[in-house]
Amino acid sequence: DQQVKQNSPSLSVQEGRISILNCDYTNSMFDYFLWYKKYPAEGPTFLISISSIKDKNEDGRFTVFLNKSAKHLSLHIVPSQPGDSAVYFCAARRSQGNLIFGKGTKLSVKP
Amino acid sequence: NAGVTQTPKFRILKIGQSMTLQCTQDMNHNYMYWYRQDPGMGLKLIYYSVGAGITDKGEVPNGYNVSRSTTEDFPLRLELAAPSQTSVYFCASSYSAEYGYTFGSGTRLTVV
Repeated sequence: DQQVKQNSPSLSVQEGRISILNCDYTNSMFDYFLWYKKYPAEGPTFLISISSIKDKNEDGRFTVFLNKSAKHLSLHIVPSQPGDSAVYFCAARRSQGNLIFGKGTKLSVKP
Repeated sequence: NAGVTQTPKFRILKIGQSMTLQCTQDMNHNYMYWYRQDPGMGLKLIYYSVGAGITDKGEVPNGYNVSRSTTEDFPLRLELAAPSQTSVYFCASSYSAEYGYTFGSGTRLTVV
């Protein structure tokens, strides 16, 4: 039973445009959500996070939106750059709990 | 600052062999984790530790064992390797449960 779902395995975007990566979750007890970025042959690296008491968090070109009523979060990358091409994992946790990861979305940003 | 270091990077095992995947961190993090990632799948938690001497099972612990004798090291032991254990293994650490994880670069294991 997947508690964190990333339903799009891949996404292709033109350089300079917006990339929107989506994530849905089923457990209403999750209180913290994170996005990780992973390049081939490397470990995931932390990108941005959001607490369940907020609906938006911004860090440079990256913004995460949280819609608790819909149990949905999204990562917006504006503008997209070729170096953003990677697999993006959504993760969630309950208080004091371990991270639960989605399957990932492979983003390709074309020059 | 090395962060989280995993060795080896690659390994091929024959069915029934055993091996230990090494993981060490130099950030004095209390929490350490082992995940596996199968193709097209997310990361699944194998074992975790909240401090030296304390370990607990994650989502997919069968076929694995861990120990945590020091804060720095968290080795993962595979006994009687099976083809189903072919995967990429990631070790991670964090200061506490509230913080994001720092991952190692992974160990790609193939069991034939």
